[in-house]
Amino acid sequence: SQQGEEDPQALSIQEGENATMNCSYKTSINNLQWYRQNSGRGLVHLILIRSNEREKHSGRLRVTLDTSKKSSSLLITASRAADTASYFCATHAGTGRRALTFGSGTRLQVQP
Amino acid sequence: DTAVSQTPKYLVTQMGNDKSIKCEQNLGHDTMYWYKQDSKKFLKIMFSYNNKELIINETVPNRFSPKSPDKAHLNLHINSLELGDSAVYFCASSLHLTSGGAREQYFGPGTRLTVT
Repeated sequence: SQQGEEDPQALSIQEGENATMNCSYKTSINNLQWYRQNSGRGLVHLILIRSNEREKHSGRLRVTLDTSKKSSSLLITASRAADTASYFCATHAGTGRRALTFGSGTRLQVQP
Repeated sequence: DTAVSQTPKYLVTQMGNDKSIKCEQNLGHDTMYWYKQDSKKFLKIMFSYNNKELIINETVPNRFSPKSPDKAHLNLHINSLELGDSAVYFCASSLHLTSGGAREQYFGPGTRLTVT
């Protein structure tokens, strides 16, 4: 079954605005990761947050994790047209498997 | 320098044919993966190898057979292709697990397979 589900499915904003994407998951996790996929390209890792962390920053990215609500959010501040892409959350559950389980993604469109 | 490469980038073939997709990584990782991304962009794990050993084999038809000749290569062979196999296939690699869980994965550019 699908572990992570992103919300919203699609988001359109103006350059300079902030973009917030949410991810919900179902089972206990070791960590949660966010990836970006530009159209026609492979996924690129953005940030990893462990289950014992609540917030993490990387440049214009801010990720929060609430394990009690089984949810995470990705905030992109001062968005740019180049941020236009699909964003996926991926969870690693504590089952010994090495695989990540990906959500269905949020398509972000940043209008110049 | 390309970190994870796949060939071919595009593959158009007819039903019933057999085809292969190759993947190579030069990151020194010990774990490699194959994912399938459908038309709705949903990404699903198919296989994972660690040091040439198969460690994850999801419910994938046995027409799909991965092969890992060494740690840096993971190929995917597909027999008797069907229309439903049309998708984008991604190879990825990572280092081994830590106490904090799975490490970040590095993805190849994808192979768009179209079965007609």
